Amino acid sequence: AAGVIQSPRHLIKEKRETATLKCYPIPRHDTVYWYQQGPGQDPQFLISFYEKMQSDKGSIPDRFSAQQFSDYHSELNMSSLELGDSALYFCASSFHPGQGEITGGPAGELFFGEGSRLTVL
Amino acid sequence: SQQGEEDPQALSIQEGENATMNCSYKTSINNLQWYRQNSGRGLVHLILIRSNEREKHSGRLRVTLDTSKKSSSLLITASRAADTASYFCATDYGYSTLTFGKGTMLLVSP
Repeated sequence: AAGVIQSPRHLIKEKRETATLKCYPIPRHDTVYWYQQGPGQDPQFLISFYEKMQSDKGSIPDRFSAQQFSDYHSELNMSSLELGDSALYFCASSFHPGQGEITGGPAGELFFGEGSRLTVL
Repeated sequence: SQQGEEDPQALSIQEGENATMNCSYKTSINNLQWYRQNSGRGLVHLILIRSNEREKHSGRLRVTLDTSKKSSSLLITASRAADTASYFCATDYGYSTLTFGKGTMLLVSP
């Protein structure tokens, strides 16, 4: 079965550089979530999209932005990178049957990708 | 933060023993889920329990939910070395997105 695909799997950047992470959700999933997980930490919610529109926002820095495209893939753009941005970035997707509004509430389980490990030097 | 602490933070047991992990949260919830994460890998959903449920089973997993105490426990019976991983509980409430707890690192020795 198809899973959530993230790319790149590993990324090394210098301070103040920019980085873009990509996420391809499971086919027919309508919601994409981005989480950041620092070393030894729990995943922290950044942002989510339902049917290509932002549905919920968490602790995403202003230096970061994200969008979901017409083919449902999503990209997380990170600018002016700082050392503290070094982390695993996870994308997850889910499906909300019968959800008519953009509420952001999960209807069930999230399916996670393997993550993109960003190292900022 | 909606989430409290999970305890223990780390748990070391022998194969065949049972492992119990606890999770507390702060606000009302719709659902509580447990996820497993192998080191450096993605999270994998284990089980979901709704706020009106008190207990749920899935294979060797048993989850309980006590909404009056705002707590949940995950029991893994007859543990195996392959169960070694970090386990996270996560909750949602209203229309919020899933919020994760701090996690318990489980080590099962052969």
